[in-house]
Amino acid sequence: GAGVSQSPSNKVTEKGKDVELRCDPISGHTALYWYRQSLGQGLEFLIYFQGNSAPDKSGLPSDRFSAERTGGSVSTLTIQRTQQEDSAVYLCASSLEGGIYNSPLHFGNGTRLTVT
Amino acid sequence: DAKTTQPTSMDCAEGRAANLPCNHSTISGNEYVYWYRQIHSQGPQYIIHGLKNNETNEMASLIITEDRKSSTLILPHATLRDTAVYYCIVKRFGNEKLTFGTGTRLTIIP
Repeated sequence: GAGVSQSPSNKVTEKGKDVELRCDPISGHTALYWYRQSLGQGLEFLIYFQGNSAPDKSGLPSDRFSAERTGGSVSTLTIQRTQQEDSAVYLCASSLEGGIYNSPLHFGNGTRLTVT
Repeated sequence: DAKTTQPTSMDCAEGRAANLPCNHSTISGNEYVYWYRQIHSQGPQYIIHGLKNNETNEMASLIITEDRKSSTLILPHATLRDTAVYYCIVKRFGNEKLTFGTGTRLTIIP
């Protein structure tokens, strides 16, 4: 079946521009997560959605980062006024019931963002 | 969530069993052990998880010591496609997010 889909797969943008990254989770999955992975680094948690609400936004690095989820499905991560340190792979994951039920996370292949 | 310690890298011959250790000496009773792997240029892939009993699925086996302070992920017949970074993660039941460490880079040697 279809997995988690992220678009675009690659994005190059100029410093100061805004970018939007999209995530289509697996159909029926209520929980959605955003992580980012800088070159050679581990995964850094950004935000978690249960349905359309975000009970945990603790990982968003600054107020330039925001995310929303509509219809309990598609999510968009927006980065305003991009900086070079925002360059990373942004990974989205979904799970059936949310982490408290131990449902495994299913990850997309990420969006590679390069800020020049 | 408890911290985990894994070797930075390991090699294993193709066709042999790959045994990946993980120490989690501060694990508490309501924390689960999860294993994920990340093949180059892909998102992480769930492998297996357990609480205290050994677990097996089509991908791997998870052996957790009786005191739960360590565990071993076993890939029974490693193939070249198993070359990846393997993450051992301890997550408290009820905690929403997984916290990834630096993992073990496993290289399968032909």
